[in-house]
Amino acid sequence: SQQGEEDPQALSIQEGENATMNCSYKTSINNLQWYRQNSGRGLVHLILIRSNEREKHSGRLRVTLDTSKKSSSLLITASRAADTASYFCALYTGNQFYFGTGTSLTVIP
Amino acid sequence: DTEVTQTPKHLVMGMTNKKSLKCEQHMGHRAMYWYKQKAKKPPELMFVYSYEKLSINESVPSRFSPECPNSSLLNLHLHALQPEDSALYLCASSQEGHLSEQYFGPGTRLTVT
Repeated sequence: SQQGEEDPQALSIQEGENATMNCSYKTSINNLQWYRQNSGRGLVHLILIRSNEREKHSGRLRVTLDTSKKSSSLLITASRAADTASYFCALYTGNQFYFGTGTSLTVIP
Repeated sequence: DTEVTQTPKHLVMGMTNKKSLKCEQHMGHRAMYWYKQKAKKPPELMFVYSYEKLSINESVPSRFSPECPNSSLLNLHLHALQPEDSALYLCASSQEGHLSEQYFGPGTRLTVT
């Protein structure tokens, strides 16, 4: 499969805890993006990290990229009930673009 | 205005019908996309328009026909669909193709009967 593989498939945490999800892929990439999707609606872009970057932050979000291991992680700190959603990584190889399998995050109030 | 709009929100059509999905953005983006998403699956790229020209067709069946009348509008014409084509169809746009973030519309929930 050319898709990025995400793990875990599902994650359930208490409000206030941190959530970490991982994306692994098989080919070289130009950039990697993370998106959030609430309950079958449109996706919302979270962070874009380029292949020459190792870490980016945006508010409570931290993304790391390890191109040698072909993997990325998304950390959400101090989670809130509103963070409940599906999270997808998306990979651009330079001529192909595809989403990972997704992680379903549930934050329990 | 950072919004991508899609109409209709829901569509039910028979296998012999012809219908169209519409997408609009006013962010000045030069790339627009159609995705298909089945339940509990990631979106799958169907078409990419860059500067109003079709640049990528991910081997989509001909019963799906895209059209880009101008840089702000994107249509997806549907004809002779199959029940397995029932899905959420998402439109997105971006400033620099896949080099930049995509803005998604809310989607059209399509049911083929």
